[in-house]
Amino acid sequence: NAGVTQTPKFRILKIGQSMTLQCTQDMNHNYMYWYRQDPGMGLKLIYYSVGAGITDKGEVPNGYNVSRSTTEDFPLRLELAAPSQTSVYFCASSLGQGGSPLHFGNGTRLTVT
Amino acid sequence: QQQVKQSPQSLIVQKGGISIINCAYENTAFDYFPWYQQFPGKGPALLIAIRPDVSEKKEGRFTISFNKSAKQFSLHIMDSQPGDSATYFCAASYQGGSEKLVFGKGTKLTVNP
Repeated sequence: NAGVTQTPKFRILKIGQSMTLQCTQDMNHNYMYWYRQDPGMGLKLIYYSVGAGITDKGEVPNGYNVSRSTTEDFPLRLELAAPSQTSVYFCASSLGQGGSPLHFGNGTRLTVT
Repeated sequence: QQQVKQSPQSLIVQKGGISIINCAYENTAFDYFPWYQQFPGKGPALLIAIRPDVSEKKEGRFTISFNKSAKQFSLHIMDSQPGDSATYFCAASYQGGSEKLVFGKGTKLTVNP
């Protein structure tokens, strides 16, 4: 099993550009998540999904959109990129049951200039 | 606002020493307390977790101590090794829900040889 795979690993965007961060998992997990990690700030939940066709906002959803058309894929869309969106983005998945661990991908480092 | 406060922000320990990272929480509804370990360039991975019905959980050199009355929990790494050098995140959630996981800001541990 590859686990959680994120692409691309690195990306530089200009202000106002848009892009989609890809995330796919092969563990048949119902729950998927997008976090952003900023230095010294921990992990902040952007959006999450409890199953195909269902998404919900996390703590910091502004400027982002998600969709979940299949169990495997959970892309994160950035519209009109801003410097404040410079961060490392992590996708994760889990069984969603109480206490089930989050399985993280290796992240996408995004710079908006 | 639900918060988990983690300290210290960084920690340097000599090989063979004990590393201690502390976390405090406010929401008494929290009922699941995991610790995640993150190596550079990788996503976080679950290290060890505890529920409030026990005061201590040990897995190898890693121990979680939990003080429900003080609303505090801590990670102890015994016989710290250079390979333990990583960033550690405490977290908490209620109703066991992974989507409601709140992370601390992280502690960067360096173990000198």
